[in-house]
Amino acid sequence: DTGVSQNPRHKITKRGQNVTFRCDPISEHNRLYWYRQTLGQGPEFLTYFQNEAQLEKSRLLSDRFSAERPKGSFSTLEIQRTEQGDSAMYLCASSLAGDSNQPQHFGDGTRLSIL
Amino acid sequence: DAKTTQPPSMDCAEGRAANLPCNHSTISGNEYVYWYRQIHSQGPQYIIHGLKNNETNEMASLIITEDRKSSTLILPHATLRDTAVYYCIVRVAKGYSTLTFGKGTMLLVSP
Repeated sequence: DTGVSQNPRHKITKRGQNVTFRCDPISEHNRLYWYRQTLGQGPEFLTYFQNEAQLEKSRLLSDRFSAERPKGSFSTLEIQRTEQGDSAMYLCASSLAGDSNQPQHFGDGTRLSIL
Repeated sequence: DAKTTQPPSMDCAEGRAANLPCNHSTISGNEYVYWYRQIHSQGPQYIIHGLKNNETNEMASLIITEDRKSSTLILPHATLRDTAVYYCIVRVAKGYSTLTFGKGTMLLVSP
C-alpha cells in the first residue's frame, strides 16, 4: 500500500500526558498537512509543510502543539499536557507541489481519547 | 475560499444513480470544485475535481453548471459501500491551499 500511513490508529491517554503521532506521506509528495476532526464536524486545518519547512499554522494550533518534518519525509505531531478538548481524530494528508490543483490524499488518522 | 452549501442527508437505493448537489454561488474564476468522501472511521477520500468542464473518472462524474454557481456529483450505480459523508469544497488554484470542509452530505445507500 503506497498511501498515507498514520500511527498509531488509536491513542488513549490521561489528561496532562504528552502524546506524539506519526505520519508517513506518499513517497513523492513534498507537501504535508495536518488536520483535526471532532465528532460530527468536517476536518479542520492545523498546519502545512513543504518539504521540511513549516509554512503555515492555524490559530487552532496552540502552544501545546508542535509539528515537525525533519527530513522532508515523515512528520510528527506532538501534543503536550493534553486536555479533554484535545480528544479528536488527527488526520494527515499529502500532495504534490508544482501543479497547484493537485489533490490532497489523506491517511486514516489517529483517534485520540483523553481520559 | 468560497463557501459551499450541501443538503445534510440523502438516501439512494442500491444500483441507482446518486446525485449529490452542491451550491457555491460565490465561487471565483480561479477556484476549483473538489469532492471528497469519508466513510466511517476512515480518512477523507479524494473523488474528483474540476474547474469549468464536466469531469469523469472511475469513481464518479462531476457536472458543473455553466455559471459555475453549482455542481452535482454523480455516482452512476451506487453500492452499499458508497454510504459515506460527501464533502464539496471550493479551493483556490494557486500556490498551495488548504481544504475547508463543511459538514457535507450524509449519503445512505440502502438495499
